[in-house]
Amino acid sequence: SQTIHQWPATLVQPVGSPLSLECTVEGTSNPNLYWYRQAAGRGLQLLFYSVGIGQISSEVPQNLSASRPQDRQFILSSKKLLLSDSGFYLCAWIQGAGYGYTFGSGTRLTVV
Amino acid sequence: GDSVTQMEGPVTLSEEAFLTINCTYTATGYPSLFWYVQYPGEGLQLLLKATKADDKGSNKGFEATYRKETTSFHLEKGSVQVSDSAVYFCALYTQGGSEKLVFGKGTKLTVNP
Repeated sequence: SQTIHQWPATLVQPVGSPLSLECTVEGTSNPNLYWYRQAAGRGLQLLFYSVGIGQISSEVPQNLSASRPQDRQFILSSKKLLLSDSGFYLCAWIQGAGYGYTFGSGTRLTVV
Repeated sequence: GDSVTQMEGPVTLSEEAFLTINCTYTATGYPSLFWYVQYPGEGLQLLLKATKADDKGSNKGFEATYRKETTSFHLEKGSVQVSDSAVYFCALYTQGGSEKLVFGKGTKLTVNP
């Protein structure tokens, strides 16, 4: 069966520090992968998505970047975190049009 | 482009009350429609889905019918429980389109005992 792993679950980082969040998918190949952010009490904001290795589409210009070094691995990074980067980060993949997304359990990032 | 308009919250109900959360969409193709639920402190879970017109998705007592004529996918439950308190998101996906789910803004539901 397919599973999605996201870590860490919780992260507290100082302003100006780097960030690396990792997401991996098991049990499938060539998935479409997505990074979303949810600010406190807000909706979902699509940050990046990828349809294949090395293919990254950015939805919103910002302090973050994404990479897909392997077929089932999607990484969200920042060189220098800002306070406004705080939020709940969710990774997701899609099996097909009729299946919708499967989300990871999320990473709660607090930048202090 | 594709979009989803979802009933603004928050919604507060008493236990055993009837729930409706409205969702309408705009899409250039023939989308699949979804409802996701997010319990406090957790990620999103797929609640139900419908992939073509007149399909009814159902799960955990929740239902939604894909109405192409009104471009709607309203979520309903006949008798809510305290454990249904969560944020609900309506979403659509069009194959061959943007390759991503388009979400509504979410509706927070609180059910009081």
